[in-house]
Amino acid sequence: ETGVTQTPRHLVMGMTNKKSLKCEQHLGHNAMYWYKQSAKKPLELMFVYNFKEQTENNSVPSRFSPECPNSSHLFLHLHTLQPEDSALYLCASSQGPGSDTGELFFGEGSRLTVL
Amino acid sequence: QKEVEQDPGPLSVPEGAIVSLNCTYSNSAFQYFMWYRQYSRKGPELLMYTYSSGNKEDGRFTAQVDKSSKYISLFIRDSQPSDSATYLCAIREGSNYKLTFGKGTLLTVNP
Repeated sequence: ETGVTQTPRHLVMGMTNKKSLKCEQHLGHNAMYWYKQSAKKPLELMFVYNFKEQTENNSVPSRFSPECPNSSHLFLHLHTLQPEDSALYLCASSQGPGSDTGELFFGEGSRLTVL
Repeated sequence: QKEVEQDPGPLSVPEGAIVSLNCTYSNSAFQYFMWYRQYSRKGPELLMYTYSSGNKEDGRFTAQVDKSSKYISLFIRDSQPSDSATYLCAIREGSNYKLTFGKGTLLTVNP
């Protein structure tokens, strides 16, 4: 496996379900990110982890709960979601603050539909 | 005023056309300017990166930054059907790693 891998690619859940999105990066990066991509909206930064420590929570509702057990893995735990949470959730990694370009390497995303 | 403005399109051009994609921004502290390309059902990938005002060329792609006008552009020469994708501008401040994205412009190049 290379790059950034996200599972599942597609997820349909009811508002009362609990599910998790998983992200794994094979690039040796120190920082990992969750972004939300909705139609006609800019990418929204949700969470940032640097060396496993959360460094940013962009006012995300508590029904989204991130977990970063190590620098290579990132989870997004989902519970009691709303239909407006339906979107593409993108995981990304980078070398971290202070790197030259701050280039983000994205996974292919998890398409979430909340019924 | 939003920090980064980008016309979402869609933009449809014939093969071989010159394409111009643009973003404007409001924060004069922004120093790093990037263009990401996102194919359908894929994540975005970095296409071009510039630091200063001026032009940067890479093959058929030219990124242009005008800091005085707070305006950035991406030009695609001799566009190909394989260039069909969503193009997102992304900008960040000097010391802050956080990127601010535009909405993205959906481009279709017709054979």
